[in-house]
Order: sequence, then structure tokens, then C-alpha cells
Amino acid sequence: DAGITQSPRHKVTETGTPVTLRCHQTENHRYMYWYRQDPGHGLRLIHYSYGVKDTDKGEVSDGYSVSRSKTEDFLLTLESATSSQTSVYFCAISESGGLQETQYFGPGTRLLVL
Amino acid sequence: DAKTTQPPSMDCAEGRAANLPCNHSTISGNEYVYWYRQIHSQGPQYIIHGLKNNETNEMASLIITEDRKSSTLILPHATLRDTAVYYCIVRVALSDMRFGAGTRLTVKP
Repeated sequence: DAGITQSPRHKVTETGTPVTLRCHQTENHRYMYWYRQDPGHGLRLIHYSYGVKDTDKGEVSDGYSVSRSKTEDFLLTLESATSSQTSVYFCAISESGGLQETQYFGPGTRLLVL
Repeated sequence: DAKTTQPPSMDCAEGRAANLPCNHSTISGNEYVYWYRQIHSQGPQYIIHGLKNNETNEMASLIITEDRKSSTLILPHATLRDTAVYYCIVRVALSDMRFGAGTRLTVKP
């Protein structure tokens, strides 16, 4: 299994509070991704990074920001959490962004916004 | 962009081959077909991927039709631990993989 950890694994927070999720990899892969998974929607891409300090938006980026100051860490921040952001969040990594490049996923973070 | 269609659920007897179909009739020439699975609420697990040719690895085989409009994932000897949701995905962009609803495979003793 790819060396990917996510923290925290579970979190309960209140509407309006900031939340930061962390993804850490030990594979030295260039690309990192944040997805959310909701019933009926499959996995949807939030943001991705193609290098240190290089990030771009995905399909559902509104309300989220990201940062990558080191190759191994990719942070996802909910500036002001809303109930619609209750979801399971998955981090993924890949060596490059090519269509033939496999993405490997972390164990996920369950976030509940009350 | 290419979309995939999979049956919502399938059953398979333990020890038998599980054949999971996927339709991707609008796939473009340079788009890869990927298969992942998700066991309970764990992170998606990579299984196999291919472009045109059939592929095999230690987990499964992938059969892609000559016109590339459909594919089949084959688990040669299904076990109870293969019970999971299986996703067929077509890469539509360099940094995006769109997971649909998948097929819930139940392996029965």
C-alpha cells in the first residue's frame, strides 16, 4: 500500500468554524489530490497540487482552500465549515498527472459539521 | 467527457470468477480505463488499468473490446474479501478521475 496517512480520521465540528485536514505521504510523489465522497455522487475532486506551492481547483472547490509547503504534506482547509461539507474526504497521490498515472488513495477522514 | 455505465449490483459464488462489465461508449482514443474498488468505507484501492490491450496483474484481468466502448474486469477466483463496490473510471483530464456509482459485488459462500 502507498504510504499515505490522513489526519484526523474523524472530526465533528460546528458550523462556521475553520477546519484543516492533513494528508501526509512518504512516497515523494509530485501530485496530490483531495476528493470528497458523498452518497449518490461518487468521488469528486476538490483541489489538486502538482508541486510545492502549485495547486489548482477541481470540480467542487468552492468553500475549500489548500496549501502545500512541502512535498509530503497537502492541507485542505474549510475556512468556515457548513453542513453541506459533511462528507468523507480522501487524499490521493500520483507520481505525475498523466492519464496513464495511477492514483493511490489514503484511508479517508470522516467530517461531520453540525 | 466520457462516462461509464455499470450495473448497480452483482452476486458471485465464492471460488468462481467474477465478471464485472462497464460501458464507456464515448471514450476517446487517449483515455485510459481504470478499475478501483472500495471495501466498506476504506479508501479506494487500485486494481488495474488499460488503454487498448487486455491487461492482467496479480489481482485481476481487464478485457477491453476492440472498439474500446466497453470493458470487463475479471476476478478469477472470488473470495469473500472481494465483496466491495467496484468502480470503472475513464480518465477525462490529466488530474481528474470521476468515480460514478460503481457496482456492488457480493461474494457469497
